[in-house]
This record gives sequence, C-alpha cells and structure tokens, in this order.
Amino acid sequence: DVKVTQSSRYLVKRTGEKVFLECVQDMDHENMFWYRQDPGLGLRLIYFSYDVKMKEKGDIPEGYSVSREKKERFSLILESASTNQTSMYLCASSSLPRGEQYFGPGTRLTVT
Amino acid sequence: AQTVTQSQPEMSVQEAETVTLSCTYDTSENNYYLFWYKQPPSRQMILVIRQEAYKQQNATENRFSVNFQKAAKSFSLKISDSQLGDTAMYFCAFALTNTGNQFYFGTGTSLTVIP
Repeated sequence: DVKVTQSSRYLVKRTGEKVFLECVQDMDHENMFWYRQDPGLGLRLIYFSYDVKMKEKGDIPEGYSVSREKKERFSLILESASTNQTSMYLCASSSLPRGEQYFGPGTRLTVT
Repeated sequence: AQTVTQSQPEMSVQEAETVTLSCTYDTSENNYYLFWYKQPPSRQMILVIRQEAYKQQNATENRFSVNFQKAAKSFSLKISDSQLGDTAMYFCAFALTNTGNQFYFGTGTSLTVIP
C-alpha cells in the first residue's frame, strides 16, 4: 500500500514563527502536492512538484514556500506564520498514468 | 479553467438505503480523470472510485458506483446499502491527463448515515 506520512498531526505556533511541515511518501511517486483545507472551501492547492527540485505554484501560494530535495520528501514552509494560516494541511502524492492522488493524514496547524 | 461543483453541502440517508451525491464539472479538455474521495471524521482522505473520461462504462467498486454523463459533464456517486462507516465528507475531483496530475476539487458533501 502507498503510504504518505506527515510529520505532525497537530501543531501550535506563534505569529511570526517559521513553520516547517514535512511530507514523505514511500512509493517513488513523481508528483507531490500541498493543500490547505478549510470548511466550506474544500481543498485548495498551495504548491505542487513533479520532480526533484521542481515546483509549481498552485492557487494560493502567497505566504508559503516549498522544498523538494529528495524524491520522497516535500516540505511546506511558512516563512512568517500568521493567524489566517490556521488550517488543516494535507499532503498528497501521485504517479501517472493512473492519476489518483494518495493523501497523508493531515496536519492541523493553529497559529496564535 | 477547470471547475468542480458539488451543490449539496450536506446530506443524510438511513442505514441500508441508497443515496446519490451530485457533482458537475467544467472543462474544454477531452482527456481527463474523475474521482470521488472520502474523508471520514479521522481525516484520512481515501480514494473511493475512479473514472477515465474515454471509458463509457460507469465505474463500480462494491457498493459504490458512478453515473458518468460526459456530454452533461456530470459525475454522480451512488452508495448502495449505506453503512454507518460511510458517514464522511465526500469530495469530487477532476484531473487532466497532461498536467502533472493537478487536481481540481469540489467543496465537498457531508454525508451522515442515520442508524
């Protein structure tokens, strides 16, 4: 089975802190994604990566950056956390040609 | 631009009954995938069912089946013999086949199965 893991289930940070969210997948997938999930808004794509060191902006990249130094690991970075970044963050990976994405368990981030 | 619409924010169904969740999408592309994902209260998002746009036959997975109407751009999910474990948020998703798997999600339908 494909496994996608995220470094924390719950995280509480203070405004202005730099926050790192880590995601690791064990199926050699080319593509990895970061989403945030908010009630009534569904999943919104922050960034995705289709190869090591490659990244593409999604729909809401402002305030975030990403890093993919190894194929299995995709990190989301909040350079200076703000209260409006309090949310659920989901990581996913996928591989063509089947196309489906496999999700991690999510990180509930609270910024106070 | 690609969009996915789920017009039913909340639904409920009696245990053992059948329920249908609606999804429509908009695209000018011809080759794509469609998916239904389930997110139970534990939050792990899991794939329920997958449909390739070039296939006319509707996908089925045990109690889950879809009604795929390509011309109408409709992709509904039918759950038969509903079980308490089906209580979850359900997301419809769309992905083009040539853009590195970028997904477009609907806003979700919260389904409650009533005992």
